[in-house]
Amino acid sequence: KQEVTQIPAALSVPEGENLVLNCSFTDSAIYNLQWFRQDPGKGLTSLLLIQSSQREQTSGRLNASLDKSSGRSTLYIAASQPGDSATYLCAVRLWGATNKLIFGTGTLLAVQP
Amino acid sequence: SAVISQKPSRDICQRGTSLTIQCQVDSQVTMMFWYRQQPGQSLTLIATANQGSEATYESGFVIDKFPISRPNLTFSTLTVSNMSPEDSSIYLCSAYSSYEQYFGPGTRLTVT
Repeated sequence: KQEVTQIPAALSVPEGENLVLNCSFTDSAIYNLQWFRQDPGKGLTSLLLIQSSQREQTSGRLNASLDKSSGRSTLYIAASQPGDSATYLCAVRLWGATNKLIFGTGTLLAVQP
Repeated sequence: SAVISQKPSRDICQRGTSLTIQCQVDSQVTMMFWYRQQPGQSLTLIATANQGSEATYESGFVIDKFPISRPNLTFSTLTVSNMSPEDSSIYLCSAYSSYEQYFGPGTRLTVT
């Protein structure tokens, strides 16, 4: 059974810091991995999608990497801003079950001005 | 990409009643899903809404409690039946398009 874990569960940093959020998954047979952002009481916003054949994706100040062999993905946020404060979720989709997205436990990020 | 809207955005309901949540996607999509997010928790898949056939439910979720309709490729409804306080959650509609998954803004349900 695929399990997805995110570390840390919560993180507080001062504005301007670079930070890394971690996502671990137990089954390396993933089809793709997606990072989302969720603001309090809101739905999810897709940030980055990494296909199983890719090693990383970049969008603005965000960079996500994927290492299937070790079962890990990281989300790097450069020059953090208070507007980055949110819960960040990673989710994996497995080969053979591509209709199902398995979510991690989430990291609650607070960027202090 | 796909833009998803949901109605209602929130509701407060009494125990024993039912609520139907509507989900509209701005483009035709093959796969639509319903998720539940209980307070302080991550998302759990309730079911896959299949166009023209019965929904596929995940373990722990049954059709009698969460009937789902999907009459076409852009619309789906989820009904939460015979509600109890344990059903208080955010319910999110989702669609899979071009390898990415998109989510609606969610419906915040409180059962008293």
